[in-house]
Amino acid sequence: SAVISQKPSRDICQRGTSLTIQCQVDSQVTMMFWYRQQPGQSLTLIATANQGSEATYESGFVIDKFPISRPNLTFSTLTVSNMSPEDSSIYLCSGLPGQGDEKLFFGSGTQLSVL
Amino acid sequence: AQRVTQPEKLLSVFKGAPVELKCNYSYSGSPELFWYVQYSRQRLQLLLRHISRESIKGFTADLNKGETSFHLKKPFAQEEDSAMYYCALKTDSWGKLQFGAGTQVVVTP
Repeated sequence: SAVISQKPSRDICQRGTSLTIQCQVDSQVTMMFWYRQQPGQSLTLIATANQGSEATYESGFVIDKFPISRPNLTFSTLTVSNMSPEDSSIYLCSGLPGQGDEKLFFGSGTQLSVL
Repeated sequence: AQRVTQPEKLLSVFKGAPVELKCNYSYSGSPELFWYVQYSRQRLQLLLRHISRESIKGFTADLNKGETSFHLKKPFAQEEDSAMYYCALKTDSWGKLQFGAGTQVVVTP
């Protein structure tokens, strides 16, 4: 099955700065999704990243705060902008191969701490 | 409203005992449900999905539309089953998933 390489695996950042998380898939995938997992909580979908178009954001998440790029079928980035301590979380990217393969697979996650 | 409920945060069982993780859902359409597992220091991975009607690592799950449930069961728990388990509901045709809160399973010898 496909593998996603996600980096960085962890980072400690100062408030007001931005961090870009990258996900590289070893094969083409139709859809990519970005999730957030706050401490002690479940996964919450941030947005769906479509190749060649703007990402589709879930309620409570906006493009200015979480800009996403999806330049091709194997790569996506999520930027956490103007960070505050409330953004401390694990961020996960995931991919769906499509074309009948409905098995969503995940990157290893980025543990973000904002001071 | 779409919702996935996993009522148990922690499930502690003895090796060899049966284990059942509860999952209830609320969804107006035809549900498609999954169980994901995260072992210690590993990434989240698909365990099984109701469409496949498969048994993976001895686990099974049956979709009960009448009770809106998708409970995960294994007749004899093993120590390697210790992990975090998430029930998930597919909420659109693109493949978006809504996850439950998760159940931490600890299997003691």
